[in-house]
Amino acid sequence: DSGVTQTPKHLITATGQRVTLRCSPRSGDLSVYWYQQSLDQGLQFLIQYYNGEERAKGNILERFSAQQFPDLHSELNLSSLELGDSALYFCASSGAGAYEQYFGPGTRLTVT
Amino acid sequence: GEDVEQSLFLSVREGDSSVINCTYTDSSSTYLYWYKQEPGAGLQLLTYIFSNMDMKQDQRLTVLLNKKDKHLSLRIADTQTGDSAIYFCAERRSNDYKLSFGAGTTVTVRA
Repeated sequence: DSGVTQTPKHLITATGQRVTLRCSPRSGDLSVYWYQQSLDQGLQFLIQYYNGEERAKGNILERFSAQQFPDLHSELNLSSLELGDSALYFCASSGAGAYEQYFGPGTRLTVT
Repeated sequence: GEDVEQSLFLSVREGDSSVINCTYTDSSSTYLYWYKQEPGAGLQLLTYIFSNMDMKQDQRLTVLLNKKDKHLSLRIADTQTGDSAIYFCAERRSNDYKLSFGAGTTVTVRA
């Protein structure tokens, strides 16, 4: 158990819908990262937050957004969903220095 | 092309050593990582090495880094059935916090 929690574990929704994925980092970690794992793209970095502020952005679509709240949990919002958004979405967290990123169990999103 | 490359499959006999290889392209990579993913599970951090090191050993795991050739390997001694999984190599570049992953190597341990 990495100490990073993600909810829900599975999510099935229809095209055009909007969903919110939630992540709680390890106790004491200020950084949260979101990654997408799909069969065709592999593991791709989406976005990073540090203590409530966006720090880095990767291959994140404009339909996707994220935020980190004062209690350090983070949410990833995916809107106008398309079939190609079906993937595993991982959250990771790290402490100061970011040497080690610990991953949560992931949320499997299926868009039908 | 991919920044981090790995072979896709490895089959090894139980009790033998496994060696998983990875190459990366960016000479500014400061940390290199190995993660393990079992079916239906998240990514488990196995070990990582700083770019000024050549080798790191942790129980059954040995990481070798050849910075000149930008080559990283993970050796698993006395491979067990529980080692069957996908192993991902990842790099972190200087002044960057994100990890860039390879496609993963599926390791199958046969009896």
